[in-house]
Amino acid sequence: GAVVSQHPSRVICKSGTSVKIECRSLDFQATTMFWYRQFPKQSLMLMATSNEGSKATYEQGVEKDKFLINHASLTLSTLTVTSAHPEDSSFYICSARGLAGGLYEQYFGPGTRLTVT
Amino acid sequence: AQSVAQPEDQVNVAEGNPLTVKCTYSVSGNPYLFWYVQYPNRGLQFLLKYITGDNLVKGSYGFEAEFNKSQTSFHLKKPSALVSDSALYFCAVRALAGGATNKLIFGTGTLLAVQP
Repeated sequence: GAVVSQHPSRVICKSGTSVKIECRSLDFQATTMFWYRQFPKQSLMLMATSNEGSKATYEQGVEKDKFLINHASLTLSTLTVTSAHPEDSSFYICSARGLAGGLYEQYFGPGTRLTVT
Repeated sequence: AQSVAQPEDQVNVAEGNPLTVKCTYSVSGNPYLFWYVQYPNRGLQFLLKYITGDNLVKGSYGFEAEFNKSQTSFHLKKPSALVSDSALYFCAVRALAGGATNKLIFGTGTLLAVQP
């Protein structure tokens, strides 16, 4: 149980375009979802936290107009990278927390490798 | 401010030998502590957690960790390492007080390399 999926697993887009990444909790209701980005050989940097039906809370330094997060339902959150630039290339990982695990655990998706050319 | 430190970028161990991956933390209030493992180009997999109770926590794949409140540590251990344990390991803490109650704070990660 407690599986989180992400789609796509890898995406290549051209500079200036937008790309959407989906995160789904497959077998539990995710009351809170988190989006992280990870640079090579570095730790996870929390970008934003979203609760279902509410606006996302962004971490300091993360542009909310560039990284649009929508948590439309208890099983789906999306991250849209708008007007992507090469420096947005990274590994994006979503995570979900819900009633599974007694609210203590976060379950992580497999990640999405974004390459902006 | 809450923080997690993993002092070793890399730990090398021979297969069959015991391994330890170190983690220390700093939080206000009681911590929830976690260990995750990440294989190349994959998301994080949960290994184990400490919430309350016994200081020695047993988790997946034969791993265990010991919560030491006086030393503010939560070192990950395994009695006998396998080559397949080679991966990136992250320690994380979730604070129960101090304003950051909703976030997991990650350490910088420790690369475990197990030699056959």
